[in-house]
Amino acid sequence: NAGVTQTPKFRILKIGQSMTLQCAQDMNHNYMYWYRQDPGMGLKLIYYSVGAGITDKGEVPNGYNVSRSTTEDFPLRLELAAPSQTSVYFCASRARDTSSYEQYFGPGTRLTVT
Amino acid sequence: RKEVEQDPGPFNVPEGATVAFNCTYSNSASQSFFWYRQDCRKEPKLLMSVYSSGNEDGRFTAQLNRASQYISLLIRDSKLSDSATYLCVVRGSYIPTFGRGTSLIVHP
Repeated sequence: NAGVTQTPKFRILKIGQSMTLQCAQDMNHNYMYWYRQDPGMGLKLIYYSVGAGITDKGEVPNGYNVSRSTTEDFPLRLELAAPSQTSVYFCASRARDTSSYEQYFGPGTRLTVT
Repeated sequence: RKEVEQDPGPFNVPEGATVAFNCTYSNSASQSFFWYRQDCRKEPKLLMSVYSSGNEDGRFTAQLNRASQYISLLIRDSKLSDSATYLCVVRGSYIPTFGRGTSLIVHP
């Protein structure tokens, strides 16, 4: 199993550009999450999904969009990038099974907006 | 009051020391509690879940105090490899909330 994969690892965007951060998992997990982590801070939830076709906003959704057309993939779209979106983005997934709520994280995407 | 609060540290301890971190949470309806470890520039990984009766995994002991709304992590016999940031995570329904983390530096 590859677990949770994210691409790209690094990206520099100019203000106003758009991009999609890719996230995929091969563990057949129902729940998937997108977080951002600013330096010295905890993870803030951007969007989450409890299954294919279902998404919902987290704590900091403004400036982002998501889709969940398959169980495996959960891309995060940035429209009109702003310097405030400079951050490390982590995707995570977990199984529906309530015996363990462990989240599995991808390696992250480091995004700089200049 | 923030939902999940942690002292960011850093905690600087010598090898072999015992160190403890606390984490307080504001939502009394919180259902599940965890400690994650995050190495520099890496993704978080689950260290251990925290159960009501307290639980131990080798040198690590986690405890939950629902009345005072805090969880704790005790590390005994610290190793250099324990140097990392320890994230407290509290789960309500679908959504887990992360603390900002406590930095631990273990020195020789």
